[in-house]
Amino acid sequence: QSVLTQPPSVSAAPGQKVTISCSGSTSNIGNNYVSWYVQLPGTAPKLLIYEDNRRPSGIPDRFSGSKSGTSATLGITGLQIGDEADYHCGAWDSSLSAGVFGGGTKLTVL
Amino acid sequence: QVQQQQWGAGLLKPSETLSLTCAVYGGSFTTNYWSWIRQPPGKGLEWIGQSNHFGSTTYNPSLKSRVTISVDTSKSQFSLKVTSVTAADTAVYYCVRINNNAWDYWGQGTLVTVSA
Repeated sequence: QSVLTQPPSVSAAPGQKVTISCSGSTSNIGNNYVSWYVQLPGTAPKLLIYEDNRRPSGIPDRFSGSKSGTSATLGITGLQIGDEADYHCGAWDSSLSAGVFGGGTKLTVL
Repeated sequence: QVQQQQWGAGLLKPSETLSLTCAVYGGSFTTNYWSWIRQPPGKGLEWIGQSNHFGSTTYNPSLKSRVTISVDTSKSQFSLKVTSVTAADTAVYYCVRINNNAWDYWGQGTLVTVSA
């Protein structure tokens, strides 16, 4: 059972937009930064978004992050077949004094 | 460009000790925290713990009694030990840099299987 809650799967057509939610509490998302990761099969996760809505160098602006209260959202526009992957959210939990993650969301581009 | 290379035994028997090491190339070993994260087959990510170059550590409460993270600043390496492993410890283990409040550079991962 993950501390952060993500939908197990989402899907959308190529070219469309999709959002992935990440729900937590005041001890994690509500008072700490959220980050997002993409994981292709058989590979290590890769950082997509840090500090709620900032993109590392090299990440296209099709990827965006937002946060409101104790929930965060990853948005992906202009979906491509290559975006099919697992997406994970993460944050620090001040009550646990530990890093916490969601269970991951599998994105299917139909 | 920061890179991590990790290694360690991939097959263990129950009750043995898991031991992994991660070498850091590029960047500055002393200005970041370094962490271990694992992923059981088909499941999500689980944070194990972290350390700075002084050896100041924080561990996942659920694993704290069995986990030790140590650093060797002279070699820009950090290590993970997990004692008394069981099948529940079977996972891909990643060494990861912490920067800008995120886990930004990940090692290639090491599959550790615990089986009798």
